[in-house]
Amino acid sequence: AQSVTQPDIHITVSEGASLELRCNYSYGATPYLFWYVQSPGQGLQLLLKYFSGDTLVQGIKGFEAEFKRSKSSFNLRKPSVHWSDAAEYFCAVVIFSGGYNKLIFGAGTRLAVHP
Amino acid sequence: ETGVTQSPTHLIKTRGQQVTLRCSSQSGHNTVSWYQQALGQGPQFIFQYYREEENGRGNFPPRFSGLQFPNYSSELNVNALELDDSALYLCASSLGVLEVGIREQYFGPGTRLTVT
Repeated sequence: AQSVTQPDIHITVSEGASLELRCNYSYGATPYLFWYVQSPGQGLQLLLKYFSGDTLVQGIKGFEAEFKRSKSSFNLRKPSVHWSDAAEYFCAVVIFSGGYNKLIFGAGTRLAVHP
Repeated sequence: ETGVTQSPTHLIKTRGQQVTLRCSSQSGHNTVSWYQQALGQGPQFIFQYYREEENGRGNFPPRFSGLQFPNYSSELNVNALELDDSALYLCASSLGVLEVGIREQYFGPGTRLTVT
């Protein structure tokens, strides 16, 4: 069955430090992968997406992610974290289901940023 | 800029009651998907509406139902509320059925439902 796993429930980093959030997926075909961010009281905002081509994708707010087929991973990275990056981050994959598409999300990683 | 709005923001209901949640789509978007996000979990797909018809459903019982109106706004109805229905309910609009996930889905801020 298709699934997305985010192994880290909580991560705390210091402001200015680098960040890597892990995402592993299980999907039979070439996956369409996404990273979303959710701040309190806000909806989900798309950070970046991977469909095909270059396996390193750039997103908004200085985020990037690398698709590694051999590891079934799509990890999110940022070289220098800002306090405003504190939020919950969700990795997702699109499932194509005969006439409609839907997103399957991981359980999320909550990021805390220390000053 | 996302124009998806949801109402109400928060809602408290008693077990066994019924609830209606509302979603106003981004202008021009004819597809609406609803998701349930329980505390500490990622969003789970409930169902999707395209041009006023349900065209896809996740693993949710029939007491979860929906409507989409000619202006593409949408409702999620839940009957016989259970404690486990307590969650954040998100709607997302997109330009077309096959655009979901291909082009960006725009999510609303959600409705927080508490069932006591």
